[in-house]
Amino acid sequence: AQSVSQHNHHVILSEAASLELGCNYSYGGTVNLFWYVQYPGQHLQLLLKYFSGDPLVKGIKGFEAEFIKSKFSFNLRKPSVQWSDTAEYFCAVKKVGGNKLTFGTGTQLKVEL
Amino acid sequence: NAGVTQTPKFQVLKTGQSMTLQCAQDMNHEYMSWYRQDPGMGLRLIHYSVGAGITDQGEVPNGYNVSRSTTEDFPLRLLSAAPSQTSVYFCASSQNFDSVIEGAEQYFGPGTRLTVT
Repeated sequence: AQSVSQHNHHVILSEAASLELGCNYSYGGTVNLFWYVQYPGQHLQLLLKYFSGDPLVKGIKGFEAEFIKSKFSFNLRKPSVQWSDTAEYFCAVKKVGGNKLTFGTGTQLKVEL
Repeated sequence: NAGVTQTPKFQVLKTGQSMTLQCAQDMNHEYMSWYRQDPGMGLRLIHYSVGAGITDQGEVPNGYNVSRSTTEDFPLRLLSAAPSQTSVYFCASSQNFDSVIEGAEQYFGPGTRLTVT
């Protein structure tokens, strides 16, 4: 069975700091990878996704993620965070050909002014 | 488009009570699913449906029933609530099963926070 690990449960940054949130998955086959974000009081929405091709994918609001197959990782990055990035971030994986989306436990990001 | 809507937003139940969490979407999506979100466990798939009249179990189906009589609605029923079902429940939809297979985005509702005492 596939699983997703997000090792940083809570992250606190100052505005303009750089962000990197870790995501590792365990599954031996080909996968689709996602990052979802949940802003306070709002529903989950897709930040970015990787299907195939260029392992560096760019999403909304200046976020990007890099798929490193050899490390089974899909870390989320942003060069300069803003207060409005305060949210919970979920990494998710789905095996190609399957419909089951497996989520990580989430990382709560707080950006301080 | 309202997207995916869920009612109620909050609910408190006593152990043994039953209730139905409502989910509706107005995007004509064939694929709908229910997740529960628990601290330290992420989101876990409860049940899903690939179209009206067709449902299947996800990762944690015990204690929950679903049905899909229309494309728009996908209610989740708790027949006899237990404290272990205290959670936040999310409904999600996507265009169809093939789109989910291909990794298309799933659209999530705002969630229902359920407490069972």
